Amino acid sequence: SQELEQSPQSLIVQEGKNLTINCTSSKTLYGLYWYKQKYGEGLIFLMMLQKGGEEKSHEKITAKLDEKKQQSSLHITASQPSHAGIYLCGADTLRSGGSNYKLTFGKGTLLTVNP
Amino acid sequence: DTEVTQTPKHLVMGMTNKKSLKCEQHMGHRAMYWYKQKAKKPPELMFVYSYEKLSINESVPSRFSPECPNSSLLNLHLHALQPEDSALYLCASSQFPGLAGNEQYFGPGTRLTVT
Repeated sequence: SQELEQSPQSLIVQEGKNLTINCTSSKTLYGLYWYKQKYGEGLIFLMMLQKGGEEKSHEKITAKLDEKKQQSSLHITASQPSHAGIYLCGADTLRSGGSNYKLTFGKGTLLTVNP
Repeated sequence: DTEVTQTPKHLVMGMTNKKSLKCEQHMGHRAMYWYKQKAKKPPELMFVYSYEKLSINESVPSRFSPECPNSSLLNLHLHALQPEDSALYLCASSQFPGLAGNEQYFGPGTRLTVT
C-alpha cells in the first residue's frame, strides 16, 4: 500500500518567517492533495497537484509536485498566526483488485506560528 | 459553494444506545465518504457511496451502518458502540467516485464520545 511520509512532524516559526513542509510518497503519485485542519475540526482543501512540475498558489501558500522524486512541498511565505494548524498531504491510492482510487493521508505536520 | 454540513457537532452516547450521524452536501457530488479520525492521527476511510450505492466498506464493524437516502444525504447509524469508537467522524464528498484527481471536500466533523 502507498505510504506518505511528511516532514517535519511539527514546526514552530516566528510570525513573518517562511517555511516548507514536505510529503514523500513510496509509490507513483496520481494525485496529491494538501489539506489544513484545525484541531478537532474538518479538513480544509488547499490544493491538488497532478502533473510533474506543477505548481499552484493560494494567497501565501505555494505547493509543488516533483513527480520523479514522488514528492510534494508546501511553502508558506511570511507566515501569520492564521496559518497555524495541522497540514495533511493526501494521495490517490489505487485499491487492490480494482481500478478505483481512495485517498490516503500522511501523518500531518503541526504548525505553530508565534506572534 | 463547497460546503459539507454535519450534525450533530458533538455526541455522547452509552454503549447500549442507538444514534445517527448526518451529512449533507448540495454540490451535486456523486461520491460521499465517511472517515474516522482518532486524536493525532490522519483520517481513515470507512465507507464510500458512489451514485448512492455502497461501493467500499473498509472492513468496518457492523455496529456502524451507513445509509445514503438520496444523492445529497449520508447517514451513519451507530449501535452498541465501544469506548474505543470514540473519535472525530468526518463526512466528505467529491464529484466523481473512484477517480484520481478528484478532490474531496470535508465537513466539520462530529466529535463522538462513547461512555
